Amino acid sequence: DGGITQSPKYLFRKEGQNVTLSCEQNLNHDAMYWYRQDPGQGLRLIYYSQIVNDFQKGDIAEGYSVSREKKESFPLTVTSAQKNPTAFYLCASTHPGGSPTDTQYFGPGTRLTVL
Amino acid sequence: AQSVSQHNHHVILSEAASLELGCNYSYGGTVNLFWYVQYPGQHLQLLLKYFSGDPLVKGIKGFEAEFIKSKFSFNLRKPSVQWSDTAEYFCAVSSFSSASKIIFGSGTRLSIRP
Repeated sequence: DGGITQSPKYLFRKEGQNVTLSCEQNLNHDAMYWYRQDPGQGLRLIYYSQIVNDFQKGDIAEGYSVSREKKESFPLTVTSAQKNPTAFYLCASTHPGGSPTDTQYFGPGTRLTVL
Repeated sequence: AQSVSQHNHHVILSEAASLELGCNYSYGGTVNLFWYVQYPGQHLQLLLKYFSGDPLVKGIKGFEAEFIKSKFSFNLRKPSVQWSDTAEYFCAVSSFSSASKIIFGSGTRLSIRP
């Protein structure tokens, strides 16, 4: 089945530790995105990548880092510099070509809790 | 900067009631508009989208939305809701010039009483 997988579903981390969230897609999509979802705030864009080896900061990139070494994979690292990392993280991708009207396809999300 | 406002944070309706969820955006140029839905325990998925043409857009499961350019609005409607419509609904906008960056509203939680 084609789709986006995110792992793990739940993640716990101690303060001061970096943690990496996985996002893999087998949809042959060029563009991939990371969002953070907090109650009452909707989805906020962290980073996005339109092509392999290239990515741009979104609205709330501070304290996060990404890489895009393969088309299928777009891992997100939450660093110790992120002041309030406890949140639900969603990965998404869009069709090849990145048309302005393209639908975003979302993964199931990872809930990160900092203890 | 672009922004999206969804003024209804939580809407509670009985089955068969009519639904209208508000969405207003701020951006002066050409926009693409979306409504996404997140059913409990499921992935966020596209409900409908507008990019040009007829301002009345029909989506899945009987939903529709009307783009009113003069009001910067893209309200979501459904004539008769069902219990299975219980979900969180997100309005989103992207500008035609920067289509990769989609801005989401804060979401509206819809609860349907059986």
